[in-house]
Amino acid sequence: EVQLVQSGAEVKKPGESLKISCKASGYIFTNYWIGWVRQMPGKGLEWMGIIYPGDSETKYSPSFQGQVTISADKSTRTAYLQWSSLKASDTALYFCAKLDSLNLDYWGQGTLVTVSS
Amino acid sequence: DIQMTQSPSSVSASVGDRVTITCRASQDVNTWLVWYQQKPGKAPKLLIYAASYLESGVPSRFSGSGSGTDFTLTISSLQPEDFATYHCQQANSFPLTFGGGTKVEIK
Repeated sequence: EVQLVQSGAEVKKPGESLKISCKASGYIFTNYWIGWVRQMPGKGLEWMGIIYPGDSETKYSPSFQGQVTISADKSTRTAYLQWSSLKASDTALYFCAKLDSLNLDYWGQGTLVTVSS
Repeated sequence: DIQMTQSPSSVSASVGDRVTITCRASQDVNTWLVWYQQKPGKAPKLLIYAASYLESGVPSRFSGSGSGTDFTLTISSLQPEDFATYHCQQANSFPLTFGGGTKVEIK
């Protein structure tokens, strides 16, 4: 059974750094792209970027390029999304999802990130 | 980037109603169109891929159609568990882009 289990909710202050995780199981981790999607409060879904764990190739949405870093650790079957300096506007629910072709076929449960002074 | 526009943004309907949601792409995406269902506080769930192919386990009351720039998601007979928000996504090219979502509410 494919499962993506994300790390727990975070409360941070503006300017702080953060790395959230997504641990995969039930499929060959290195053979499929895995991506991140943002959902701001009461809003729609926004695709942030993806990584191919087999060779760590990444693709970012222009809206998020330079704002976040996506990485993956093959040894622990875990993908990561990180910020070096959070802003209040980063407050959102973040989902990881496995890609099959360019369809997001399995999703994590979401990680709520709250940035507030 | 390919812009995806869904309509309506919300619809009120009763159990048993037929509901149709539209998604329009700003340029041709062939049949590379995906539909997701999302319930409050939960992750989206893949319903339909390649415009018209039902994901395994999805009830047959859901159907998708269209190609090029215009697509529809139809729920033939709305059930209580179908009250949710539906999102379309183009799977033709990077960056992947989503529509704004359509909330299906109880009338």
